[in-house]
Amino acid sequence: AQKVTQAQTEISVVEKEDVTLDCVYETRDTTYYLFWYKQPPSGELVFLIRRNSFDEQNEISGRYSWNFQKSTSSFNFTITASQVVDSAVYFCALGELYNNNDMRFGAGTRLTVKP
Amino acid sequence: DAMVIQNPRYQVTQFGKPVTLSCSQTLNHNVMYWYQQKSSQAPKLLFHYYDKDFNNEADTPDNFQSRRPNTSFCFLDIRSPGLGDAAMYLCATSQERGRRGYEQYFGPGTRLTVT
Repeated sequence: AQKVTQAQTEISVVEKEDVTLDCVYETRDTTYYLFWYKQPPSGELVFLIRRNSFDEQNEISGRYSWNFQKSTSSFNFTITASQVVDSAVYFCALGELYNNNDMRFGAGTRLTVKP
Repeated sequence: DAMVIQNPRYQVTQFGKPVTLSCSQTLNHNVMYWYQQKSSQAPKLLFHYYDKDFNNEADTPDNFQSRRPNTSFCFLDIRSPGLGDAAMYLCATSQERGRRGYEQYFGPGTRLTVT
């Protein structure tokens, strides 16, 4: 069965600090997809990134970067120079090619960025 | 802007009184999902429609039903709400099912209170 673990329940940083959110997954499939979503206090889940299992290239988008390592089954998310607006709950999710049950979310990490 | 809309944003219902939550989308996506999210937890998939094909999760209580009269609209019916059904209900859409790696786009959610 697929499983996503976000071991960090809550993280608190001061503005401008860098912060990394960890995500470890388990799957028996060779083809799968990993996602990160942001859920600000307003409640709406915002899609951030999708990565498929055949693409281990790391990605950078502004202050956001993602490190995908199949060898350790991890898909970590780093925010550089954090800002107060980054305060949210961040969910990592896994979808498997042959699993019709679509995405399974991790428990989420609550990030608080203090001014 | 193309989007996923949920109405109402806040809904109060009485114990045992049927309630309907609505979701509409302008993205013209094939798939529509309903999730339940309780406080400090990850979203839990209740069911989804792939076009007109309804797919129920095995552990979704019979108390929860859904209708999709057309591509744009999807409804969540709770036949006899209990106190344990108080939660945020999230609607999401995707172009295709998650097994093909398509990300989901979420509405702002409806927060249901049961008194």
